[in-house]
Amino acid sequence: GNSVTQMEGPVTLSEEAFLTINCTYTATGYPSLFWYVQYPGEGLQLLLKATKADDKGSNKGFEATYRKETTSFHLEKGSVQVSDSAVYFCALSANNDYKLSFGAGTTVTVRA
Amino acid sequence: NAGVTQTPKFQVLKTGQSMTLQCAQDMNHNSMYWYRQDPGMGLRLIYYSASEGTTDKGEVPNGYNVSRLNKREFSLRLESAAPSQTSVYFCASSELGARDNQPQHFGDGTRLSIL
Repeated sequence: GNSVTQMEGPVTLSEEAFLTINCTYTATGYPSLFWYVQYPGEGLQLLLKATKADDKGSNKGFEATYRKETTSFHLEKGSVQVSDSAVYFCALSANNDYKLSFGAGTTVTVRA
Repeated sequence: NAGVTQTPKFQVLKTGQSMTLQCAQDMNHNSMYWYRQDPGMGLRLIYYSASEGTTDKGEVPNGYNVSRLNKREFSLRLESAAPSQTSVYFCASSELGARDNQPQHFGDGTRLSIL
């Protein structure tokens, strides 16, 4: 079946530090890959997505590249802000499937 | 912009009580979903409705029922609540479904405690 594995948190960083959250996946066919972000007390919001190998998704300074050879979709940001404190979820949807499969989530806290 | 609206936001039940969680979206989306979120487990799909008139089981459907009342509304019912159903429940919707790479839009969640 389809599955997503994320690095465990929590992750605590200082402002302007570099952030990487690792995500690897197992899926049949050619899945689409997503990063969602959940701010405290809110639902999930789509952060970025990539639909085929070597695609790079980007938004709000975050980037992730779909690497088919390593089955990975790592999230990166070069200089984090306090406002980036949130829980980040990696997710995939496989072909002909209406469902998203989520990773466990990584809690990121950025200190001023 | 309401998006996806869930009610109630918080609820405390006793074991054995029943309850219906309501969800409505105003984006004319075809597909709707119910997830539960538990610490360290991400989101797990309970049920989904690919289009009006259809519903299907997800990963963890036991103890739940759903109704796709119309295109806008998708409710989740707990017939006899159990402490293991203490969780945060999220409703989501998407235009055409995950397989078409359309993002899912989430409500703010319902925090449910079963005593």
